[in-house]
Amino acid sequence: EVQLVESGGGLVKPGGSLRLSCAASGFTFSNAWMSWVRQAPGKGLEWVGRIKSKTDGGTTDYAAPVKGRFTISRDDSKNTLFLQMNSLKTEDTAVYYCTTNEEYCTNGVCYYYFDYWGQGTLVTVSS
Amino acid sequence: EIVMTQSPATLSVSPGERATLSCRASQSVSSNLAWYQQKPGQAPRLLIYGASTRATGIPARFSGSGSGTEFTLTISSLQSEDFAVYYCQQYNNWPLFGPGTKVDIK
Repeated sequence: EVQLVESGGGLVKPGGSLRLSCAASGFTFSNAWMSWVRQAPGKGLEWVGRIKSKTDGGTTDYAAPVKGRFTISRDDSKNTLFLQMNSLKTEDTAVYYCTTNEEYCTNGVCYYYFDYWGQGTLVTVSS
Repeated sequence: EIVMTQSPATLSVSPGERATLSCRASQSVSSNLAWYQQKPGQAPRLLIYGASTRATGIPARFSGSGSGTEFTLTISSLQSEDFAVYYCQQYNNWPLFGPGTKVDIK
């Protein structure tokens, strides 16, 4: 059974930093592309960023609102995904979800979706 | 930049009735469209990907259709556990979710 368990959320002041973790089990983590998706209180879903598997280059991509402030990394030896958040703003307040990320093309059709999700961890940025 | 819209914002349906949810993209996304269900206090759950392929374990009463800019999620006979918020998601240069449709009890 696939399990994703986020941790590390909490209250932080504007301008501060926080590091989220996501412990993965039930699948071959090292082969997986992983994303972070967030949801502000009472709002919709917003993609934060993605990291490819190391065999596919291990590269990262980020949404414009977090680019240059957030960094996604992974430790395949510990089956763990990280989100380092710096220079936090009040608008970063949200539940942050760790997800597995499918991206592929077959027969001329491309697919991109998030198939497994953790339960989320709440980050509150407030003075 | 692609803009995603979903309609209606809220859909009131009686148990056992059919629900039809709409998702529209401002430009073509081919069949690269997914649907998610989210219940209060829970993480989203993947229902449909590739516009019409049900994810593992998703009941047959959920079906997706459409391509290009117009997509539909149909729930053939609403069960009590289906009352939730439904989001569509496309990928162009980056993943983008629609604003959601809340399905509540009539």
